[in-house]
Amino acid sequence: DIQMTQSPSTLSTSVEDRVSITCRASQSIDSWLAWYQQKPGKAPKILISKASHLESGVPSRFSGSESGTEFTLTISSLQPDDSASYYCQQYHSYPWTFGQGTKVEIK
Amino acid sequence: QITLKESGPTLVKPTQTLTLTCTFSGFSLSTSGVGVGWIRQPPGEAPEWLAVVHWNDANHYRSSLKSRLTVTKDTSKNQVVLTMTNMDPVDTGTYYCAHRQVAFGLGVWGQGTTVTVSS
Repeated sequence: DIQMTQSPSTLSTSVEDRVSITCRASQSIDSWLAWYQQKPGKAPKILISKASHLESGVPSRFSGSESGTEFTLTISSLQPDDSASYYCQQYHSYPWTFGQGTKVEIK
Repeated sequence: QITLKESGPTLVKPTQTLTLTCTFSGFSLSTSGVGVGWIRQPPGEAPEWLAVVHWNDANHYRSSLKSRLTVTKDTSKNQVVLTMTNMDPVDTGTYYCAHRQVAFGLGVWGQGTTVTVSS
């Protein structure tokens, strides 16, 4: 199975800060990576597919990038509504696997 | 607009079989490239992918659970059914179904249904 190692596990930061979350795959997954946002008691919501494709309706402050097997989700200017948990997921090969998650808290 | 909704029991006993139904609208599972996945999330943990069924009947399962899982689709009813045998308390969690288009992630999720395994 492909392991997805996500960091940091928690992040406490201020509104309008730039935030970066990293996900490292244990082997090549090409660009077959998605990012999700999840708020308490809600289902995950997709933000990005194919490592950098912004899904419809997602604010442009969210972006995704990749460098080899390392993937990054960036929030350019953190907003109060962005307080949530974030997960990466590879869909290059089965079984699809998720990272352990990053909880973003607003100071 | 794509929507999905999970339904099934909220409480099952150990060793019993869990059957969950995902009823969807806004897309057809006979359309090329379309799939429906099942994902579960134990309390306080990350999501865990379980299975996926595609328009072409290509099914894939989490390898560690493969002997316990079955996914079937009923295209005429717009439903996908997940069956998990020999339930255990560690299977407790929220179960989601989600739409996907090949080459993209799990684009639209159902609201989830919470399943507790306890005697």
